[in-house]
Amino acid sequence: SYELTQPLSVSVALGQTARITCGGNNFGSKSVHWYQQKPGQAPVLVIYRNTNRPSGIPERFSGSNSGNTATLTISRAQAGDEADYYCQVWDSSTVVFGGGTKLTVL
Amino acid sequence: EVQLLESGGGLVQPGGSLRLSCAASGFTFSSYAMSWVRQAPGKGLEWVSTISGSGGSTYYADSVKGRFTISRDNSKNTLYLQMNSLRAEDTAVYYCTKMYGSSGWLQPFDYWGQGTLVTVSS
Repeated sequence: SYELTQPLSVSVALGQTARITCGGNNFGSKSVHWYQQKPGQAPVLVIYRNTNRPSGIPERFSGSNSGNTATLTISRAQAGDEADYYCQVWDSSTVVFGGGTKLTVL
Repeated sequence: EVQLLESGGGLVQPGGSLRLSCAASGFTFSSYAMSWVRQAPGKGLEWVSTISGSGGSTYYADSVKGRFTISRDNSKNTLYLQMNSLRAEDTAVYYCTKMYGSSGWLQPFDYWGQGTLVTVSS
């Protein structure tokens, strides 16, 4: 079965740039979506189809997909960005989520 | 405003059954695929099932195939998940999600409900 690999945790200083990666085989041909989940809350879509931001998501959130790695970039990180982040793709007729990355803002 | 309200969760014994419902509002329900995604306590997200807007296409995770059935009633704007032969490992919060398009395939989950907890235990 298809697998997505994310780092368990990423730390970033307040105001700096955080990058969260998501790896998988033949990634370049897939659309990657990203979700943010804060404690006790439902996930929120923050990036879809590799690079697109839904309405209401700050421009500080951006995405890229190249080769075998997709990256969620959070610029000017704020305390409120602390959360778990999940990448997601479709593989054949099934959905695959990455294991999630806990972002800590120092 | 899109709203998704799940119901039907609770405590059930191993081998038992449960039916989850999700009442949707704020969008043209029949035009969008819908899905269930679950999250075991302290764990990550796991996709369960997707159904197209018309209900004509369904997709299941291998872990639930043959035990769970997704369905929808477009006249009632309601999504369902019938869960049979429940196991301890099915214990999770189950989220109802709206998908970005009508087919679901390749699309993201753009709106999520607050979830309903299913606990499978004797």
